[in-house]
Amino acid sequence: QKEVEQDPGPLSVPEGAIVSLNCTYSNSAFQYFMWYRQYSRKGPELLMYTYSSGNKEDGRFTAQVDKSSKYISLFIRDSQPSDSATYLCAMVNRDDKIIFGKGTRLHILP
Amino acid sequence: DTGVSQDPRHKITKRGQNVTFRCDPISEHNRLYWYRQTLGQGPEFLTYFQNEAQLEKSRLLSDRFSAERPKGSFSTLEIQRTEQGDSAMYLCASSAPGGAYEQYFGPGTRLTVT
Repeated sequence: QKEVEQDPGPLSVPEGAIVSLNCTYSNSAFQYFMWYRQYSRKGPELLMYTYSSGNKEDGRFTAQVDKSSKYISLFIRDSQPSDSATYLCAMVNRDDKIIFGKGTRLHILP
Repeated sequence: DTGVSQDPRHKITKRGQNVTFRCDPISEHNRLYWYRQTLGQGPEFLTYFQNEAQLEKSRLLSDRFSAERPKGSFSTLEIQRTEQGDSAMYLCASSAPGGAYEQYFGPGTRLTVT
């Protein structure tokens, strides 16, 4: 089993819809949970990070961590065509080692 | 622009040649990371520096790969005797001390080995 599992998609949703992106993980030592957005042929861009369980909101984005289920989510409200990108989850353990998921390709249809 | 920069952005080389990439981190960040990303995959950790010290190397970093950060500022990644399997995007990121959860990435160097 890989340490971080993420459905590669593609996921296509109509403009304005709520998008839900998810990752599962197996290593209970992970402490920080991040979401990156990556446009084609660009470097990843940090959207937000959370520490431990709970929710964190930033504008149209909400990150959710459930450590008991080893499950993290990113919700995008009022999705826009400009949100079309690959979304990568990433996690850091106590040794500062970072593991990325494969990324989910998201298409927002106008 | 005070973000992470990488040079070159694209490199095409023939198998067996050596290539070197450069990364300039955000100026106040003392941690610098190198990753490799292939199509359809997330970035894979290669190595990282804290100041000029190379603290960890992945087993992905074969003997043909070497990285340096001589003065704790910019870093170089060299690949010797390139192979077609080395074709990938090479990403650099930087962070503040203890801030592995808040890494900022450069635009990457896309390497194609023919």
